[in-house]
Amino acid sequence: AQKITQTQPGMFVQEKEAVTLDCTYDTSDPSYGLFWYKQPSSGEMIFLIYQGSYDQQNATEGRYSLNFQKARKSANLVISASQLGDSAMYFCAMREGGRGGGNKLTFGTGTQLKVEL
Amino acid sequence: DTAVSQTPKYLVTQMGNDKSIKCEQNLGHDTMYWYKQDSKKFLKIMFSYNNKELIINETVPNRFSPKSPDKAHLNLHINSLELGDSAVYFCASSHSKFNQPQHFGDGTRLSIL
Repeated sequence: AQKITQTQPGMFVQEKEAVTLDCTYDTSDPSYGLFWYKQPSSGEMIFLIYQGSYDQQNATEGRYSLNFQKARKSANLVISASQLGDSAMYFCAMREGGRGGGNKLTFGTGTQLKVEL
Repeated sequence: DTAVSQTPKYLVTQMGNDKSIKCEQNLGHDTMYWYKQDSKKFLKIMFSYNNKELIINETVPNRFSPKSPDKAHLNLHINSLELGDSAVYFCASSHSKFNQPQHFGDGTRLSIL
């Protein structure tokens, strides 16, 4: 079974609009962390935002926020006031607790976001 | 600049050759990683080292051998390169604390002719 599922291979949004990128995850571990990364066409991986499984509040970082619904096992990324520079591939990733998981990140397949004028 | 730097950025070589990719971080992190991103952009962990000790080795062919001379460096050596090894290889580093993000290098694009 997929541990991280991103069901939207591609998304379009108008400049200045908000957009939600979906991510659902599967784990039986009570302790886990969810990360979002951005990969522009230049190829580098940029960390955006983190949500821990025990965090009481949804994470926010500037224009990025996480809509974390633990019971539904979803951690959707919300980008407000989209800019042309937000056009990129976005990856959701999970780190599971326990020695078996180590520190590795398990990635989803990504969502390609294109911001239009 | 503080960063994760990996060299070379591009590597084009023939099938059967042996090549190495170097990675260095000056962020003071104790854990380093190698990830492979395939042509469909899927990222998968290959190896992880914590304080020079191998802690993750994910079903990677033994033609791939990581080496960590110290906790700031993690190199990847690949023997007998195959066409299927063509990919982008990312080095990353982090503190081992659970909520710490991994910081990625810019990637090495490996093309096998």
